[in-house]
Amino acid sequence: GAVVSQHPSRVICKSGTSVKIECRSLDFQATTMFWYRQFPKQSLMLMATSNEGSKATYEQGVEKDKFLINHASLTLSTLTVTSAHPEDSSFYICSANPLAGGIDTQYFGPGTRLTVL
Amino acid sequence: QKEVEQDPGPLSVPEGAIVSLNCTYSNSAFQYFMWYRQYSRKGPELLMYTYSSGNKEDGRFTAQVDKSSKYISLFIRDSQPSDSATYLCAMSRYNTDKLIFGTGTRLQVFP
Repeated sequence: GAVVSQHPSRVICKSGTSVKIECRSLDFQATTMFWYRQFPKQSLMLMATSNEGSKATYEQGVEKDKFLINHASLTLSTLTVTSAHPEDSSFYICSANPLAGGIDTQYFGPGTRLTVL
Repeated sequence: QKEVEQDPGPLSVPEGAIVSLNCTYSNSAFQYFMWYRQYSRKGPELLMYTYSSGNKEDGRFTAQVDKSSKYISLFIRDSQPSDSATYLCAMSRYNTDKLIFGTGTRLQVFP
């Protein structure tokens, strides 16, 4: 099946630093990638939808200046958490849709666990 | 009220049991219904996908959607210890729409 990778798998950083998370579709091209956040024992919450070559669409309540998304190519999207704080500690998961794919072809990455000290 | 409600469990069953997992939702515009399985510290993987009402079967898994009651179910027959994971329901309004997830139900199947 289609493979989506994320890097790094886990990161620990100090409060105030910025962290970049990469999401790559390894064997297909993705016009759309999604970024989710999952707190312990809670659901995946969509943060933003990223379209290649255009600005990301952020969900209500998600600060676009804090969570910078860049979808530079059809196989790579990055999420940068700027000036991270302990409350940003979470599990960040991306997903990617192949070209002409539908709702059932949204492939998820393995997630990145961010811990902000 | 959340758009999608799901009992977080945990649900603990013996090997071989039939497992029933459920979600309710409030938005009648949802047309696409998915069940994902998520192992600890991994991304979700799609198990079942249903459009509109009805049943769908795939091996030991059966998905049911009752749009009139806004209720969806996933049944697992002959459950195995390897089925131990968190099961997330998700739904959307149209084929390219965002997914709205339930909180997930943690399932443990013991030998």
